[in-house]
Amino acid sequence: AQSVTQLGSHVSVSEGALVLLRCNYSSSVPPYLFWYVQYPNQGLQLLLKYTSAATLVKGINGFEAEFKKSETSFHLTKPSAHMSDAAEYFCAVSEAGGTSYGKLTFGQGTILTVHP
Amino acid sequence: DVKVTQSSRYLVKRTGEKVFLECVQDMDHENMFWYRQDPGLGLRLIYFSYDVKMKEKGDIPEGYSVSREKKERFSLILESASTNQTSMYLCASSYADHGKLFFGSGTQLSVL
Repeated sequence: AQSVTQLGSHVSVSEGALVLLRCNYSSSVPPYLFWYVQYPNQGLQLLLKYTSAATLVKGINGFEAEFKKSETSFHLTKPSAHMSDAAEYFCAVSEAGGTSYGKLTFGQGTILTVHP
Repeated sequence: DVKVTQSSRYLVKRTGEKVFLECVQDMDHENMFWYRQDPGLGLRLIYFSYDVKMKEKGDIPEGYSVSREKKERFSLILESASTNQTSMYLCASSYADHGKLFFGSGTQLSVL
């Protein structure tokens, strides 16, 4: 079975500050890992995806995440927060290949607030 | 542009009613999913389908059923709505096993 834990249900940063959203996963097989973002009153959009190529993954809007197998982590970072980054962020895991049909297991979500 | 359309943005139903939530995708995707989203719980998988007329239970299927008669359409059915099914329901689709899900905007269902 696979699971995802996001540390911190709310994160607050100042505009221009570093954004760090934490995600730890468990999976019995090599995982695919994802970060999704949800803006108010919208569905989820893919930010970035790890599929066993480079461990540092770059996504849209200046976000990136690093896969660390030894720590079972996939933390999301952005060097400089912008007001438009305020949203809820979800980490998700999928089992690579097999009969997973690409279904994802999501974390609890982290709401990012950006202060002027 | 890729599109997943959910028929209603807001729905209000009464306890015991049969409720249908509809989802249509225009990308010829094999896989379709229904999740419910609750604050502090993230998204939880209710059911998914990997082909027409094929379906599998997710993590929380109790009280729900699904139908996929055509590739582009995936319906979620609440046989007898209850107040604990008040939630945001999100539909998604993907190509087989690529893992990138495309989401609809969601249906906020209130059961009174």
